[in-house]
Amino acid sequence: SQELEQSPQSLIVQEGKNLTINCTSSKTLYGLYWYKQKYGEGLIFLMMLQKGGEEKSHEKITAKLDEKKQQSSLHITASQPSHAGIYLCGAAPEGGSNYKLTFGKGTLLTVNP
Amino acid sequence: KAGVTQTPRYLIKTRGQQVTLSCSPISGHRSVSWYQQTPGQGLQFLFEYFSETQRNKGNFPGRFSGRQFSNSRSEMNVSTLELGDSALYLCASSSGFGTGGYGDTQYFGPGTRLTVL
Repeated sequence: SQELEQSPQSLIVQEGKNLTINCTSSKTLYGLYWYKQKYGEGLIFLMMLQKGGEEKSHEKITAKLDEKKQQSSLHITASQPSHAGIYLCGAAPEGGSNYKLTFGKGTLLTVNP
Repeated sequence: KAGVTQTPRYLIKTRGQQVTLSCSPISGHRSVSWYQQTPGQGLQFLFEYFSETQRNKGNFPGRFSGRQFSNSRSEMNVSTLELGDSALYLCASSSGFGTGGYGDTQYFGPGTRLTVL
């Protein structure tokens, strides 16, 4: 079965600093979702990457998909306290359904003012 | 458009009891997926319903079941509760017409926090 490993597990940054979160798959990645979760709450959809080399940006968050490395990275520029939360990557199993996602364990981001 | 709603938000049950959780998807969406989130195992897929039929299933025991109604609302039932069933249960709504690739996105509800004593 596919496994997604996220690194780092947790991250503390000073407001205004840039940061990167990685998501590495044990199997070929055909696409990847990034979500954000406030503790104990639902997931907020951030971005979906469908093709190798694809890069998407929304406000100060940029995500890239590297098919060869079976990895995706999420980069936040000039972090703000509102960026704090748990970032989760999710992917469908190879040959499997888009509706049966596997998720990484998450990266807990703390942004200190 | 209203988002995904889940009721109740919090539940406390005792071992051996049964519980039913409800999920109302985004208007027009026909697929509802259910996930269990625990500190140890993270987010795990339970099952997905599309047009009142279970289309995908995860690796959970038969105590976990679900159904979907004609208006796409879905319920999840857990029978004979165990302490290990304590978790945040999340449902996700999507159009349901993704082709197996990534043409569809799952939008999550706020979750139901189940505590089993």
